[in-house]
Amino acid sequence: EAGVAQSPRYKIIEKRQSVAFWCNPISGHATLYWYQQILGQGPKLLIQFQNNGVVDDSQLPKDRFSAERLKGVDSTLKIQPAKLEDSAVYLCASSLDRAYNEQFFGPGTRLTVL
Amino acid sequence: QQQVKQSPQSLIVQKGGISIINCAYENTAFDYFPWYQQFPGKGPALLIAIRPDVSEKKEGRFTISFNKSAKQFSLHIMDSQPGDSATYFCAARASNYQLIWGAGTKLIIKP
Repeated sequence: EAGVAQSPRYKIIEKRQSVAFWCNPISGHATLYWYQQILGQGPKLLIQFQNNGVVDDSQLPKDRFSAERLKGVDSTLKIQPAKLEDSAVYLCASSLDRAYNEQFFGPGTRLTVL
Repeated sequence: QQQVKQSPQSLIVQKGGISIINCAYENTAFDYFPWYQQFPGKGPALLIAIRPDVSEKKEGRFTISFNKSAKQFSLHIMDSQPGDSATYFCAARASNYQLIWGAGTKLIIKP
């Protein structure tokens, strides 16, 4: 069974530039999560999708971050414009359903904002 | 109340020793407590999990001890091996099914 795929793996941008991350969850998984993991901290949930609908985006900085999950499969997370404090690893995870216990994580995208 | 406090921040254990990582929570509505293991350059992966109606769960060398009255739970790694060197996160599931994560413990097993 293929795991969660993410791209790119690394991205370096200047502040005020825009960037987009892509995630392909495990086939059949209804729930998709985007997390931000700052060095030395645990993952912080940014947004959670159930199929193609948003379940929770309460911690998403909506003035600069946006995310979509077209057709309930792939998802993109965008930052525009980026700030220095956005430097982090962005993790995508999926689970069979939001009530299902195990979340499966992709390898993450390491973003450096200069 | 939505926090999970994890300690220590880092831990060095000799090969063959016991590694112990502790977590504490406040919200009694949390209903599921997983531990995730993360290697450098990888996403976290579920290691072992427990529900609050059980005091202990063991899978191979990994054991979760759960103290509901103290609102604490811990991960024990027996016979620690260099391959166990990783960052470990405890988490707790809230009533909206969100996972609340600890800050992580970087474990180094010395050969």
